[in-house]
Amino acid sequence: GAVVSQHPSRVICKSGTSVKIECRSLDFQATTMFWYRQFPKKSLMLMATSNEGSKATYEQGVEKDKFLINHASLTLSTLTVTSAHPEDSSFYICSAYRETEAFFGQGTRLTVV
Amino acid sequence: AQSVTQPDIHITVSEGASLELRCNYSYGATPYLFWYVQSPGQGLQLLLKYFSGDTLVQGIKGFEAEFKRSQSSFNLRKPSVHWSDAAEYFCAVGALTGTASKLTFGTGTRLQVTL
Repeated sequence: GAVVSQHPSRVICKSGTSVKIECRSLDFQATTMFWYRQFPKKSLMLMATSNEGSKATYEQGVEKDKFLINHASLTLSTLTVTSAHPEDSSFYICSAYRETEAFFGQGTRLTVV
Repeated sequence: AQSVTQPDIHITVSEGASLELRCNYSYGATPYLFWYVQSPGQGLQLLLKYFSGDTLVQGIKGFEAEFKRSQSSFNLRKPSVHWSDAAEYFCAVGALTGTASKLTFGTGTRLQVTL
């Protein structure tokens, strides 16, 4: 089946620094990818839709200047958490579509200290 | 707006017992429904999906789900649970489009399996 890879799986950063998370579709091209955030014991909340070659579309309440998304190629989307703060600590998951099915990355656990 | 409700936050079943996880959705058109499973610290794996045709869909790992439009439900079932089924289960609804669509997830049901 299709594989979506996220890197890193875990990252710890200091407050005020920026962190980049990569989402790659390994065996297919994805013009659209989605970024979700999952709080402990909570559901996945859609943050933004990443479109190859164009600006991302952010969900209401998501700060576009804090969560920078770049989809520079058909196999790679990146999420950069800028000036991270402890409240940004969370589990971030990306997904990419192949035909009508969404494939999810394994997630990135971000801890801001 | 679309929404998904999973009424059961936590369910415990004995290994070998049957399982039913509830999912109710709200959507203005024909829904595109999914069940995913998530192991701790991992991404999501698709168990099964429904977007047309037979309302009883079969998935991986022996799971099945039935779409009931009149009840706006898409409950997940398994006749005999295995210890390895312990995980978090998410029901999701998406727009019925031919390409990528946003998914709205329920809050999840944590399944615990006792031996």
